[in-house]
Amino acid sequence: DQQVKQNSPSLSVQEGRISILNCDYTNSMFDYFLWYKKYPAEGPTFLISISSIKDKNEDGRFTVFLNKSAKHLSLHIVPSQPGDSAVYFCAASDDYKLSFGAGTTVTVRA
Amino acid sequence: DTGVSQDPRHKITKRGQNVTFRCDPISEHNRLYWYRQTLGQGPEFLTYFQNEAQLEKSRLLSDRFSAERPKGSFSTLEIQRTEQGDSAMYLCASSRIRGGIYNEQFFGPGTRLTVL
Repeated sequence: DQQVKQNSPSLSVQEGRISILNCDYTNSMFDYFLWYKKYPAEGPTFLISISSIKDKNEDGRFTVFLNKSAKHLSLHIVPSQPGDSAVYFCAASDDYKLSFGAGTTVTVRA
Repeated sequence: DTGVSQDPRHKITKRGQNVTFRCDPISEHNRLYWYRQTLGQGPEFLTYFQNEAQLEKSRLLSDRFSAERPKGSFSTLEIQRTEQGDSAMYLCASSRIRGGIYNEQFFGPGTRLTVL
């Protein structure tokens, strides 16, 4: 069963605007959450993470928000740049393995 | 380059043949993971090692699959009697665990397997 869900398979955003990617999870034992970015023919690249004891983590243009009661997290990218066009995966962990969502393809329009 | 490396990057084989993939993790990382990714899906966990010990295997890892990490450094993933359903991207990742504190997993470029 899919414990991590990304319900939007694609997102198109204009350069300079905000990109908001959403992720929902079902397993309340998850205590660490990550976002990865993937280009074609490459492995996923780590972007940003957040522990369940926090509700926000920021790193440059990337901010991740966690709402534990709703079992929901989001990734904000501000401002969006053409190089941000990629597939973004949400992942969650309760110890060792990562459970991934199916990904959201982001296209940044010039 | 001190990232995770995988070899080969691409493998095409005929059904029924055996294949072996290699992963070299980041040198100071004590955990190594294998994942499989199919089109339109996120990576799915297969197995992981802490140093040389294989600590967990997913039910996705049938008895045709075997993984080793003999000296706690590089790892190999072997698939025997390949089937067309084995066609996927096989990803390796590594992380450093100290004091029970979780650290991010860093992925290699993957090995794309095509079974004809």
